Amino acid sequence: KQEVTQIPAALSVPEGENLVLNCSFTDSAIYNLQWFRQDPGKGLTSLLLIQSSQREQTSGRLNASLDKSSGRSTLYIAASQPGDSATYLCAVLEYGNKLVFGAGTILRVKS
Amino acid sequence: GAVVSQHPSRVICKSGTSVKIECRSLDFQATTMFWYRQFPKQSLMLMATSNEGSKATYEQGVEKDKFLINHASLTLSTLTVTSAHPEDSSFYICSARDWGSGTGGNQPQHFGDGTRLSIL
Repeated sequence: KQEVTQIPAALSVPEGENLVLNCSFTDSAIYNLQWFRQDPGKGLTSLLLIQSSQREQTSGRLNASLDKSSGRSTLYIAASQPGDSATYLCAVLEYGNKLVFGAGTILRVKS
Repeated sequence: GAVVSQHPSRVICKSGTSVKIECRSLDFQATTMFWYRQFPKQSLMLMATSNEGSKATYEQGVEKDKFLINHASLTLSTLTVTSAHPEDSSFYICSARDWGSGTGGNQPQHFGDGTRLSIL
């Protein structure tokens, strides 16, 4: 059974800092890995999708990497801003076409 | 871009009431939609996969008679929580797969804004 773990569970940083969120998964039989953002009481916004054959994806200040063999992914956020405060979720798409989510990292960027 | 609309955003009702939640894909056809449940500070858990024109596939431990799913058109899936009780209070989120984009399992899933269900 696929399990997705995110570390840390919560993170508080001053504005401007670069930060890294970690995600690990137990079964490497995946189509892709996605990072989502969830604001309180809201749905999910897809940030980055890395296909299983790829190593990283970048969008603006965000960079996500994928090491499928070791079952790890990181989300790097450069020059963090208060508007980045949210919960960040990592999810893997299994071969059975099911998305399995981690519990998320709650990020707070202080101004 | 693709949008999934979910209604209502919040429901507060008495125990024993049945509640219907709608999930619509606004600018693409979604033969497959997914229903998730999220408890506070926990991750999203897949409840069921909704397939247009056929029966939904429920995850282990999810009562199909409790959570009725109907996917009668290519743009609409509904989740009905029947005879809801306080323990059914949760955040329910739907998503829809856009099969028209991407290939080989990499079709994107687009999420609704969720429904906060509170049973008194």
